[in-house]
Amino acid sequence: SAVISQKPSRDICQRGTSLTIQCQVDSQVTMMFWYRQQPGQSLTLIATANQGSEATYESGFVIDKFPISRPNLTFSTLTVSNMSPEDSSIYLCSVSATGETQYFGPGTRLLVL
Amino acid sequence: RKEVEQDPGPFNVPEGATVAFNCTYSNSASQSFFWYRQDCRKEPKLLMSVYSSGNEDGRFTAQLNRASQYISLLIRDSKLSDSATYLCVVNWDATNKLIFGTGTLLAVQP
Repeated sequence: SAVISQKPSRDICQRGTSLTIQCQVDSQVTMMFWYRQQPGQSLTLIATANQGSEATYESGFVIDKFPISRPNLTFSTLTVSNMSPEDSSIYLCSVSATGETQYFGPGTRLLVL
Repeated sequence: RKEVEQDPGPFNVPEGATVAFNCTYSNSASQSFFWYRQDCRKEPKLLMSVYSSGNEDGRFTAQLNRASQYISLLIRDSKLSDSATYLCVVNWDATNKLIFGTGTLLAVQP
């Protein structure tokens, strides 16, 4: 499976600021996704990062709050904008080469004060 | 009805025990099914895919019953290192959207 890294691994931010999370894969992959895992809960898909076009967002998530870029087949960013304490969560990217099985990055732990 | 439903546990079992987890899903059109394992403060890792014919990987056996929309995971001869949260995951539709269950916590005791 691909080696996936995320930066930063963790951060503590002030409310009202924005944080950009990077996801890097060591090989080209067909699909990249961004998930959120809130404390004590399971994973929820935020959006599918599409290479060369706008991301596809799930219900309850919007581009103004979570802008996503995917400039090539190995890299994507997720920005959490105008943060509030409710955004405190783990943010995970996942990748899929086949379009079926997904592998996850190590996650970014975000705490918003 | 929840999209993917699991018993949250915890399941506390002694080493060497056999333990089974169940999962139900609501979308009859779902095509792919997985079990992921998540250790505390770590990302989910794929344990195994689940096929209609059932599949086995060492001490782990997964079964799918499409008619009942039911997935199971059996762990034989439990090890301390099996302690983790086990996530039932369903590939929801042709867009490759994964829906995660809330997970079942397993604690294997010495």
